Amino acid sequence: DTGVSQDPRHKITKRGQNVTFRCDPISEHNRLYWYRQTLGQGPEFLTYFQNEAQLEKSRLLSDRFSAERPKGSFSTLEIQRTEQGDSAMYLCASSLAIRGTEAFFGQGTRLTVV
Amino acid sequence: AQTVTQSQPEMSVQEAETVTLSCTYDTSESDYYLFWYKQPPSRQMILVIRQEAYKQQNATENRFSVNFQKAAKSFSLKISDSQLGDAAMYFCAYRSADRGSTLGRLYFGRGTQLTVWP
Repeated sequence: DTGVSQDPRHKITKRGQNVTFRCDPISEHNRLYWYRQTLGQGPEFLTYFQNEAQLEKSRLLSDRFSAERPKGSFSTLEIQRTEQGDSAMYLCASSLAIRGTEAFFGQGTRLTVV
Repeated sequence: AQTVTQSQPEMSVQEAETVTLSCTYDTSESDYYLFWYKQPPSRQMILVIRQEAYKQQNATENRFSVNFQKAAKSFSLKISDSQLGDAAMYFCAYRSADRGSTLGRLYFGRGTQLTVWP
């Protein structure tokens, strides 16, 4: 297992377009998280899944954002009608559902909206 | 909500010297975890060290150690014998251990950019 994988690594899109990112967690991890990191800030929580169930969404996740995790495996994060303020690094992390275990992060997808 | 504060946007250290990065946090919970993550440029975030709040003993991982002061809600990271490869952004993070919360959700500080001079 090579760890958490995110695709694409970089995405440039025009304002108003839709984009979709993919995250493949570590295979045995049943928890999956999405975070957003803007320049000069720490990552901010967006949403989290336990298996295929989306258990919490941050207020940061507007109606233009949707995340799925079909069959509890990989996850996708879609942003509709992108805005310049959506430009950020989108990080995915996964962990086991065991007290005290750490989250492992992917390398992130850097989104630039022009 | 929990908040994590890193008051040092940038720090620098000479190779082989020791540096301490500061972190404070605010919570009403008694059971939680604290972490330091390292994020090199264009690289993924990796865990440096972890502290469980119910453990009084400070965590240590090789050249990395923490000074955990629960009453003061302080969690500093000490890097001894600094190496060029330690240069990165360091994030302090908090995670609740409360079963009623979003288990595993991390609250991050804004980070401290560490430069290591040869």
